[in-house]
Amino acid sequence: KNEVEQSPQNLTAQEGEFITINCSYSVGISALHWLQQHPGGGIVSLFMLSSGKKKHGRLIATINIQEKHSSLHITASHPRDSAVYICAVTRNYGGSQGNLIFGKGTKLSVKP
Amino acid sequence: DGGITQSPKYLFRKEGQNVTLSCEQNLNHDAMYWYRQDPGQGLRLIYYSQIVNDFQKGDIAEGYSVSREKKESFPLTVTSAQKNPTAFYLCASREATNEKLFFGSGTQLSVL
Repeated sequence: KNEVEQSPQNLTAQEGEFITINCSYSVGISALHWLQQHPGGGIVSLFMLSSGKKKHGRLIATINIQEKHSSLHITASHPRDSAVYICAVTRNYGGSQGNLIFGKGTKLSVKP
Repeated sequence: DGGITQSPKYLFRKEGQNVTLSCEQNLNHDAMYWYRQDPGQGLRLIYYSQIVNDFQKGDIAEGYSVSREKKESFPLTVTSAQKNPTAFYLCASREATNEKLFFGSGTQLSVL
């Protein structure tokens, strides 16, 4: 079983829809990251959070430490939001302290 | 502008050849990382360095080597011992363990 699981794997939405991408993890963490990868391959960090909720524009990220679960929400989705969204966690134990484990990503396509 | 520069964007390797991927950052970050991305899989850690002249193996270090002679530079060599080198390679850096990650634009390596 992967230590970081994302769902769904693929998501198609109509412009304007509210989108939710989920991330569950099974290891002890000190932080969780949401990343965005565009078709060219470059990756941008959207959020880093260790508790509660963060908002940036139309993007909202939440984390529930007790349930080991995080969600990324996109309000009023737009075709330019089409990308792969990746969840990653920073491990907080052992020899790999500080290193990240990545989910496989959620491919989002927003149709006009 | 500060950032991470990877080169080249595309690289082709002949059988038995060693190739080197460049990663340079001007963010003054101590920690640098090399990841490999294969279709349908999460990013996997090849090597990381938390300080100049020191580096550690990640989860899939076999067939790869690195050096960290300068804070700004963390080149990755894909050796002939790596039998399946075709993948997208991403370099990343961050200031400290629980800080935001910054990624380069990636190098696509293919075998001729």
